[in-house]
Amino acid sequence: EPEVTQTPSHQVTQMGQEVILRCVPISNHLYFYWYRQILGQKVEFLVSFYNNEISEKSEIFDDQFSVERPDGSNFTLKIRSTKLEDSAMYFCASSRQSNSPLHFGNGTRLTVT
Amino acid sequence: QQQVKQSPQSLIVQKGGISIINCAYENTAFDYFPWYQQFPGKGPALLIAIRPDVSEKKEGRFTISFNKSAKQFSLHIMDSQPGDSATYFCAASPNTDKLIFGTGTRLQVFP
Repeated sequence: EPEVTQTPSHQVTQMGQEVILRCVPISNHLYFYWYRQILGQKVEFLVSFYNNEISEKSEIFDDQFSVERPDGSNFTLKIRSTKLEDSAMYFCASSRQSNSPLHFGNGTRLTVT
Repeated sequence: QQQVKQSPQSLIVQKGGISIINCAYENTAFDYFPWYQQFPGKGPALLIAIRPDVSEKKEGRFTISFNKSAKQFSLHIMDSQPGDSATYFCAASPNTDKLIFGTGTRLQVFP
């Protein structure tokens, strides 16, 4: 069964550094998302992306965050200047079309020291 | 308005028993209610979902009960197995895209 692939599985970075989290969505999916989960807490929506633009973003997704689909397969989340509170598990998800179920990747654990 | 309240926080069930997890929401615009199962180190995986035009949906041992007037929905796991031990999240959304997740229930099924 096709799956969403995320790399790296674990990223450690120093406060103030830029990080890029990478995702390869399922190949025929058109809608892409980032969610995050702070350790022991609920999964929170960050951003949705369709047709090469952001369709919706949460208040968490401030100017430090950006997303990009640089080619036909990758979908990236960039955090420009990481803070300690950005430490979380970041999940990429994709769906085939609007109103179809989301498929999540296994996540990237980001640790900011 | 945007919250989904989930209980209990943790649940211990014996093998063969019924596990019941409850969720409540406020926003009447929500019309998609999925349940996700998450194993340690993995992403959430869709288990079962319901829309408010039906009051119950069953898939194998998993059943969602939905009460539109009370704005509540629940997951029932019949004949619970040790392999069901995981964290379960309910979610709600006006569409399938921007899911509002509950706080999760850690289920442990003991043999």
